[in-house]
Amino acid sequence: AQTVTQSQPEMSVQEAETVTLSCTYDTSESDYYLFWYKQPPSRQMILVIRQEAYKQQNATENRFSVNFQKAAKSFSLKISDSQLGDAAMYFCAYRENNDMRFGAGTRLTVKP
Amino acid sequence: NAGVTQTPKFQVLKTGQSMTLQCAQDMNHEYMSWYRQDPGMGLRLIHYSVGAGITDQGEVPNGYNVSRSTTEDFPLRLLSAAPSQTSVYFCASSQGLAGRNEQFFGPGTRLTVL
Repeated sequence: AQTVTQSQPEMSVQEAETVTLSCTYDTSESDYYLFWYKQPPSRQMILVIRQEAYKQQNATENRFSVNFQKAAKSFSLKISDSQLGDAAMYFCAYRENNDMRFGAGTRLTVKP
Repeated sequence: NAGVTQTPKFQVLKTGQSMTLQCAQDMNHEYMSWYRQDPGMGLRLIHYSVGAGITDQGEVPNGYNVSRSTTEDFPLRLLSAAPSQTSVYFCASSQGLAGRNEQFFGPGTRLTVL
């Protein structure tokens, strides 16, 4: 079964600085999708960024970008110019057809 | 559009009681799913449906039943609640399968089983 591992239970960053959250996954498939979700205290799951495995180009959404290393099965999230509103739990997720797996999450704290 | 709605927001049950968590979406999405979120474990897929009348099991289906009689609704039933089912439950929907379609999540239901 596919597994998703987030090795950093907690991370902190100074406001306006850059932080990188790590994610690795295990799969034997070649066609799949990877996601980063943000979960603020409200519990709402918010899609931050999505990467298609067949695309070599790393996805970017404003201040959020990923470093996708398919051979290494690594999918890290970089947040630039961190803002207080970025403080939340961040979940890495893998989806292949009907199967979706989430990592255990990383709690990000942003210091003013 | 209301998106994905879930009721109730909070529920406390006694061991052995049954209940149904409601989920509805107004986006005409084919794919709907239920997850549970436990501390330190992320979200885990319970059941999913690819259309009305079609359901299948996810990673942790035991103790839960689902049905999909309409495109809009996808209720999750606990037949005999157990303390191990204490969790936050999320419903989600997307247009079709595969990750190319964004999955939208409901606000969650916090369930406590005593």
